[in-house]
Formats: sequence, structure tokens, C-alpha cells
Amino acid sequence: DAGITQSPRHKVTETGTPVTLRCHQTENHRYMYWYRQDPGHGLRLIHYSYGVKDTDKGEVSDGYSVSRSKTEDFLLTLESATSSQTSVYFCAISESLLAGGVYEQFFGPGTRLTVL
Amino acid sequence: DAKTTQPTSMDCAEGRAANLPCNHSTISGNEYVYWYRQIHSQGPQYIIHGLKNNETNEMASLIITEDRKSSTLILPHATLRDTAVYYCIVTWAGGTSYGKLTFGQGTILTVHP
Repeated sequence: DAGITQSPRHKVTETGTPVTLRCHQTENHRYMYWYRQDPGHGLRLIHYSYGVKDTDKGEVSDGYSVSRSKTEDFLLTLESATSSQTSVYFCAISESLLAGGVYEQFFGPGTRLTVL
Repeated sequence: DAKTTQPTSMDCAEGRAANLPCNHSTISGNEYVYWYRQIHSQGPQYIIHGLKNNETNEMASLIITEDRKSSTLILPHATLRDTAVYYCIVTWAGGTSYGKLTFGQGTILTVHP
């Protein structure tokens, strides 16, 4: 299994509270991603990183920010959590398999966040 | 990325082959077909990918039609542990794609004893 961990694994918080989720990898992969998964929506990309300090928005980035100050850590921050951000959050990492840019993503175990 | 269409659900008997179809009629020449699966409450797991040739690995086989408008993932001898949601994803694999994936609803495969 790819060395990828997420913390915390479960969190309950209140509306308006800032929350930071951490993704840590030991694979030295260049690319990292944050997804959320909700019933009826499948997995949706929030933000991704293509290198240290290089990040960009995904499909559902409103209300989220990210930071990547070193290769192994990718942080997802909810500045002021809302009930609509209750979800399961997955982190993923990848590296190019081929010169043509084919990637295989490895996913973490997920963080279940509940915003009351 | 090209849109994909998969059946919502499928059943398969344990020990038999599971054939999961995917339509991707708008696929372009530089887009790959990826398959991932997600076992309940776990993160998705990569299965296989292909461009235009059939591919096989220790988990599955991928059959892509000659016109590349559809593909089939084959699990040759399904087990109960193969019960999962299977996602067919078509995406460009260039350097600036950064490996991003767009997940649809997938196919819920249930393997019965």
C-alpha cells in the first residue's frame, strides 16, 4: 500500500469553526489532491498540487484553501466550516507512470467530517 | 474530458467473469481510459488503464473497441471481495493534466455467493 495517511480520521465541529485536514505521504510523489465524496455526487476534486507551493482549484473549491510547504504534506483548510461541508474527504497522490503523462492515483483512508 | 456512461448496477455470481461496460463515444485521440474501484468506505483503488490496445494485469483485463468509443473491464473470476463501485474515467494524459480525475457515478457491482 502507498504510504499515505490522513488526519484526523473523524472530526465533529461546529458551524463557523476553522478546520484543517492533513494529508501526509511517504512516497515522494509530486502530485497531491483533495476530493470530497457525498451521496449522489460521487468524488469531486477540491484542490490539487503539482509541486511544493504549486496548487490550483478543482471543481468544488469555494470555501476551501490548501497549502503545500513541503513535498510530503498537503493541508486542506475550511476557514469557516458550514453544514454543507459535511462530507468524507479523501486525499490522493500520484506520479507519472509514463513519459506521456499517464498517472496512477493512490488514495488515503479518508476523513469523515461532520459540521453541526 | 470525455463523458462516460456506465450502468448503475450489475450482479455477478462468485467465480464467474464480471464484464463491466463503459461508453465513451466522445473520446479524443490523446485520452486514456482508466478504471478505478471503491470498496465500501475505502478510498478508490486504481485497477487498469489503456489507450487503444487491450490491456491485462493481475487484477483485470481492459478491452477497448477499435473505434475507442467503448470499453469493457473484465474481472475473470469474481470473488465476494470484488463487490464495489467501479468507475470508468476518460481523461487526457498530457503533462499539464496533472493527473486530475473526474469521477462519475460508476457501476455498483455486487458479487453473489
